[in-house]
Amino acid sequence: AQSVTQPDIHITVSEGASLELRCNYSYGATPYLFWYVQSPGQGLQLLLKYFSGDTLVQGIKGFEAEFKRSQSSFNLRKPSVHWSDAAEYFCAVTFQGAQKLVFGQGTRLTINP
Amino acid sequence: DGGITQSPKYLFRKEGQNVTLSCEQNLNHDAMYWYRQDPGQGLRLIYYSQIVNDFQKGDIAEGYSVSREKKESFPLTVTSAQKNPTAFYLCASSIVLLDYNEQFFGPGTRLTVL
Repeated sequence: AQSVTQPDIHITVSEGASLELRCNYSYGATPYLFWYVQSPGQGLQLLLKYFSGDTLVQGIKGFEAEFKRSQSSFNLRKPSVHWSDAAEYFCAVTFQGAQKLVFGQGTRLTINP
Repeated sequence: DGGITQSPKYLFRKEGQNVTLSCEQNLNHDAMYWYRQDPGQGLRLIYYSQIVNDFQKGDIAEGYSVSREKKESFPLTVTSAQKNPTAFYLCASSIVLLDYNEQFFGPGTRLTVL
């Protein structure tokens, strides 16, 4: 079965520090990959997506992610976090022809001042 | 502004009552989705619809029902058969393309059953 794993349930970093959130998927076909962010009590906002081409993709709010096929990973990074980045982050994956997204369980990010 | 509207934001119901959550979109998207979100469990797909008058069960459809009479609207009914209905419910929509599926989300409805 298709699955997405976000190994870290909760991460705490200091403001200004770098961030990496991990995402691994299990699929046989070429995946289409997404990162979403959710503030408390809100809907999900798309940060970035990967369909093909350059494996390093840039998103909104200074985030980027790198697709590594050999590791079945799509990790999210930010060089310097801001207090406003505190939220829950979801990785999601689908594949060609599919109409359903499969989501990871999410990583909650806390920022220390 | 184009977007997805969910109403109400908070909903309280007594146990044993059916309740209907509204989802409307003006993005001209063909496909619409309902997800349930519980703490620590991510998003789980309840139902989805790719075209008017057609819908498919997702991973946790038991105790829920939907209709898709108009392209813009995809209401979700939480029936009394749903054993644990208290949750945060998210609606999403997307263009139906051959290659991929990028979903846009509404603000959600928090349902509390007392």
